[in-house]
This record gives sequence, structure tokens and C-alpha cells, in this order.
Amino acid sequence: AQSVTQLGSHVSVSEGALVLLRCNYSSSVPPYLFWYVQYPNQGLQLLLKYTSAATLVKGINGFEAEFKKSETSFHLTKPSAHMSDAAEYFCAVTEGAAGNKLTFGGGTRVLVKP
Amino acid sequence: EAGVTQFPSHSVIEKGQTVTLRCDPISGHDNLYWYRRVMGKEIKFLLHFVKESKQDESGMPNNRFLAERTGGTYSTLKVQPAELEDSGVYFCASSQLGQGNTEAFFGQGTRLTVV
Repeated sequence: AQSVTQLGSHVSVSEGALVLLRCNYSSSVPPYLFWYVQYPNQGLQLLLKYTSAATLVKGINGFEAEFKKSETSFHLTKPSAHMSDAAEYFCAVTEGAAGNKLTFGGGTRVLVKP
Repeated sequence: EAGVTQFPSHSVIEKGQTVTLRCDPISGHDNLYWYRRVMGKEIKFLLHFVKESKQDESGMPNNRFLAERTGGTYSTLKVQPAELEDSGVYFCASSQLGQGNTEAFFGQGTRLTVV
């Protein structure tokens, strides 16, 4: 069985500061990993995904994530936070090539302070 | 091109009533998923259709929930009778056929409140 853990249900950052959202996973097979974002009153939108190619994945809006197999982690970062980054972020995993069902972490809500 | 559309966006019903949620996937997407987020908890998988067939319904909570996808197009999720613990946000997602790295596109969700 797979599981995803996101450390911190709420994160507060200052505008211009580094955004770091932590995600650890467990999977019995090589996983595919995803970060989704949900802006207020919108659906989930894919930020980026890891699919066993490059371990450093670049996504939309300046976000990137690094897959570290030894640490079973897929942390999301952005060098400089913008007010528009205020949203809830979800890390998710599928069972690699065998499945499409997403297993989500609990989500991290990001507040950006001016 | 239209994205995944869900109706209604909000629904408030009394315990014991019936509610039907609808999802219109992106045209051409054979995969359709239902997920649910109960307040304070993670988003959890309910079931997966491939075209009109139920591929995986391991996440359905109990037999009060019935999902259909007639003709392999839109899908409905009916809760009958609704209970207080059914409150939450129900998300629908669709994707093209492919491996596990295929992007799933999500609707805005239906917020269901059972009182």
C-alpha cells in the first residue's frame, strides 16, 4: 500500500522568501509522483510530475521538485514566493506504470505575507 | 476546450435525503475518477471508470453510494440515504488512457453538506 505524508498543514512565508513544502512517500513499486495546487474556488491543477526521467522536475509558476529515492522524498520548492502562490498544495503518488489511482497527502495551505 | 465540469457546486441536504452529483469529463477521456475530501482529512479515492466500466471501486465507503457512467460519457454519483459523515468535497477527475504518469484533470468539486 502506498502512503504520502506532507509535513505541516499550514505554512506561512513572506513575499520573496523561499517556499519549501515537504512530501515523503512510501511505495512498494517505483512510483510516479505529483504535486497539485488548488487555488481558492478552483479545482486541483497539476504543478509538476516525476515519472522516472530527471530527478529534478520543473513545473509551472517557477516551482520545482526533486525526487530523492534514498530519502523517499519529493519536496516542492520555489525560490521566491509571490502573493499569487497562496493556495493549498497536494503531493500525490500512483503505483508507477501499473495504476492511475492517486494517493494524496493531507495538503499544505500556504499563506504569503506581504 | 472545456475542462472537467461538476454539478452542482454546492449542495445542502438533510440526513436521509438523496443527492446526485454529476461529472462531465473532458471529451475523449476514457478514465474517470471520483475522489472525496472530508473536512480536515486527505483527498481519498472512491472509484475509477474506464469508459463505462468500473475498473476499481475499492474506495467506495458503503452501499449507500452508487456511481454510474452510462455510455462512457458523463458520470453520476448518488448518495442514498445521505448521512452526516458524507459531508465533504467530492472531486471528479478525468484522463486519457495511459500509464500511471498520465495527468488527471480535476473539476472544481461539489461541496456536499448533510445536516
